[in-house]
Amino acid sequence: KQEVTQIPAALSVPEGENLVLNCSFTDSAIYNLQWFRQDPGKGLTSLLLIQSSQREQTSGRLNASLDKSSGRSTLYIAASQPGDSATYLCAVDTNAGKSTFGDGTTLTVKP
Amino acid sequence: DGGITQSPKYLFRKEGQNVTLSCEQNLNHDAMYWYRQDPGQGLRLIYYSQIVNDFQKGDIAEGYSVSREKKESFPLTVTSAQKNPTAFYLCASSIEGTAYEQYFGPGTRLTVT
Repeated sequence: KQEVTQIPAALSVPEGENLVLNCSFTDSAIYNLQWFRQDPGKGLTSLLLIQSSQREQTSGRLNASLDKSSGRSTLYIAASQPGDSATYLCAVDTNAGKSTFGDGTTLTVKP
Repeated sequence: DGGITQSPKYLFRKEGQNVTLSCEQNLNHDAMYWYRQDPGQGLRLIYYSQIVNDFQKGDIAEGYSVSREKKESFPLTVTSAQKNPTAFYLCASSIEGTAYEQYFGPGTRLTVT
């Protein structure tokens, strides 16, 4: 059974700092890995999707990497802003759309 | 605008009553999903459907039921058999294929007392 772990559970940084969020998974036979952002009381917004054949994806200040052999993904956020404050979730798809989610990392960026 | 709608945003029910949560999408996606989220936790898959008139149980299907009579709609019924139904429910959809990028609705917060 796939298990997904996100460490740390919470992170607080000053504005402007670069930061890395971590996601690890136990079963390397995956279709894709997706990073999401969730604001309090809201649905999830897709940030980046990395397919199993890819190593990384970039969108603006965000860069996500994938290392299937070690069961790890990282989400790098450059020059963090207060508006980046949210919970970040990673989801691993191991069965054609059936995803397993981590518990998320709650990020606070202080002005 | 294309997207996923869930209604209502907040729902209150008495214990012992069944309740149906609505999920509609106009993205022309084949696959749809229902997740449950409890405070401070990630999402857990309840049911998913990859095609009309077909659906599969997820990890926590007990006490829930679904139907998929139309491509655009995937309603979830929370039955009285669900022991702890108070939670935030999220619906998602994706295009069938190797990518399976998921798009989410705004969620319905269900409170049962």
